Amino acid sequence: SQQGEEDPQALSIQEGENATMNCSYKTSINNLQWYRQNSGRGLVHLILIRSNEREKHSGRLRVTLDTSKKSSSLLITASRAADTASYFCATDNDYKLSFGAGTTVTVRA
Amino acid sequence: GAGVSQSPSNKVTEKGKDVELRCDPISGHTALYWYRQRLGQGLEFLIYFQGNSAPDKSGLPSDRFSAERTGESVSTLTIQRTQQEDSAVYLCASSFDRGWYGYTFGSGTRLTVV
Repeated sequence: SQQGEEDPQALSIQEGENATMNCSYKTSINNLQWYRQNSGRGLVHLILIRSNEREKHSGRLRVTLDTSKKSSSLLITASRAADTASYFCATDNDYKLSFGAGTTVTVRA
Repeated sequence: GAGVSQSPSNKVTEKGKDVELRCDPISGHTALYWYRQRLGQGLEFLIYFQGNSAPDKSGLPSDRFSAERTGESVSTLTIQRTQQEDSAVYLCASSFDRGWYGYTFGSGTRLTVV
């Protein structure tokens, strides 16, 4: 069953703008992870934030986690055409990853 | 190997035939997962292997689906008597221990049942 739900389902932005997507989940978690998928194939792990962390950065990515609201956000700054992809949040409860349906991001040149 | 390898990358099969999908995880990764992704949807958990422990098969959709893994090496996912609703991308992932540092996914096998 899918626990994470991403919002919005789709996002279109101009190159150079920031992209923000949100993830909500239902049960307690050990950590929350964000993945990128290009062309409907393999997923690439972007960033992992543990349940006792509130914010994490990796390059142009910034992830926040609010366990009281059971929500997370992913911010991509200064977007590039190569950031065009689907982005999924995945919650890790014990050992099993539960994925949402994803946010499709299109970056226009 | 450097990454998770899956084969074949694409498979077209006739309804009713059996198919076998293969996953070669990263060396040293004790955990291995199979997921299914239907077109435009998120990933559905199928099965989880951790070392020599009994696998978690709770995500397998029917008894036509089975998977095996020998130790910490290659895994095969078998679908018997395939149906059109089995058409999807089947993704394999492996991780060190219980994935506390993230998971590495293969490129998937796109299965089309005609």
